[in-house]
Amino acid sequence: DAGVIQSPRHEVTEMGQEVTLRCKPISGHNSLFWYRQTMMRGLELLIYFNNNVPIDDSGMPEDRFSAKMPNASFSTLKIQPSEPRDSAVYFCASSLQGFGNTIYFGEGSWLTVV
Amino acid sequence: SQKIEQNSEALNIQEGKTATLTCNYTNYSPAYLQWYRQDPGRGPVFLLLIRENEKEKRKERLKVTFDTTLKQSLFHITASQPADSATYLCALDDTGGFKTIFGAGTRLFVKA
Repeated sequence: DAGVIQSPRHEVTEMGQEVTLRCKPISGHNSLFWYRQTMMRGLELLIYFNNNVPIDDSGMPEDRFSAKMPNASFSTLKIQPSEPRDSAVYFCASSLQGFGNTIYFGEGSWLTVV
Repeated sequence: SQKIEQNSEALNIQEGKTATLTCNYTNYSPAYLQWYRQDPGRGPVFLLLIRENEKEKRKERLKVTFDTTLKQSLFHITASQPADSATYLCALDDTGGFKTIFGAGTRLFVKA
């Protein structure tokens, strides 16, 4: 299995631009998570989906952030407009729904907003 | 407020010794707790899961304990090796198991 695939791996963009991060979860997994990691705040859960439906987006920092999962094999996280404080590593992860199931992470999208 | 606390200071130990990392939590009642390893520039990778009714879990050189009274988990690496150098994160479930929340992690350095 290819694991969770994220793109782009690295992105440098100017403040005010739209950023779209993409994720392909592991086939057969029905839960998908977007996390953000910074030195200051650690690994924060932004939003998670179950069977393509957003279940909890309470971690999304502002209205500038949005996430979609149009089908079981694709999700996007969009930031519009981007700000320098959005610079972080964004991880997508997937799992089988259920108590204590292992979460499998992608390699992350490293975002720098200048 | 809800908190997961791991030692923010790096842990430096000599090869061959046992490394012990701590995870404390507040205002959670997790049914399970997980430990992950993260190498620089990579995503976290699952290591071990321990359930609330288990006191101890082992896997090769790894051992995890879970004390729901103390609200604490300890993660041990015996006979540590330089290749064990990484950041170790604990994670627990929230709201009935559908959300997994992570601690900030502890950086471990094992010197040869």
